[in-house]
Amino acid sequence: DAGVIQSPRHEVTEMGQEVTLRCKPISGHNSLFWYRQTMMRGLELLIYFNNNVPIDDSGMPEDRFSAKMPNASFSTLKIQPSEPRDSAVYFCASSLGPNSPLHFGNGTRLTVT
Amino acid sequence: AQSVSQHNHHVILSEAASLELGCNYSYGGTVNLFWYVQYPGQHLQLLLKYFSGDPLVKGIKGFEAEFIKSKFSFNLRKPSVQWSDTAEYFCAVSPNDYKLSFGAGTTVTVRA
Repeated sequence: DAGVIQSPRHEVTEMGQEVTLRCKPISGHNSLFWYRQTMMRGLELLIYFNNNVPIDDSGMPEDRFSAKMPNASFSTLKIQPSEPRDSAVYFCASSLGPNSPLHFGNGTRLTVT
Repeated sequence: AQSVSQHNHHVILSEAASLELGCNYSYGGTVNLFWYVQYPGQHLQLLLKYFSGDPLVKGIKGFEAEFIKSKFSFNLRKPSVQWSDTAEYFCAVSPNDYKLSFGAGTTVTVRA
């Protein structure tokens, strides 16, 4: 299995631009998570999907952030418009379901200038 | 709100030294406990997990952790570290079936 696949690995964009991060979970995993990692806040859960349905989006910082999971093998996290404070590493993770360990992707390092 | 505290921000030690990283959580109910490791430039990987049963859990790469319910602790240990153990270590706690709360992480630097 290739593991959780995220793209791009690095993204540099200017303030105000739209940014789309992509994630392909491990096949057969029912749960998908988006995390953000920063020096100041550590790892924060942004949103959790189960069976493609958003269950908990309480961690999404504001309306500029949106996430979708149109099918079991693909999810996107969109930031529009982006701001410098959004600079972070964004991790996607998937799991088999309740109480199963998370498998993380390699992350997308986002830099907003 | 639930919180996870990792006592040490940065630990520096020599090869063959013993390692113990502290983790305490604040949640009164049943929890699932995890330690994840993040090697430089890589993603998080699961080291070990505790759901129930024997409170002494053995993980990969010679790591183990002990769940002490009365102390709300889940400390990570390794008797003899190697240079390749240089990484950031995260304790995580889940009170339900999905929501993990991560500690701030402990950076471990092993000097050859």
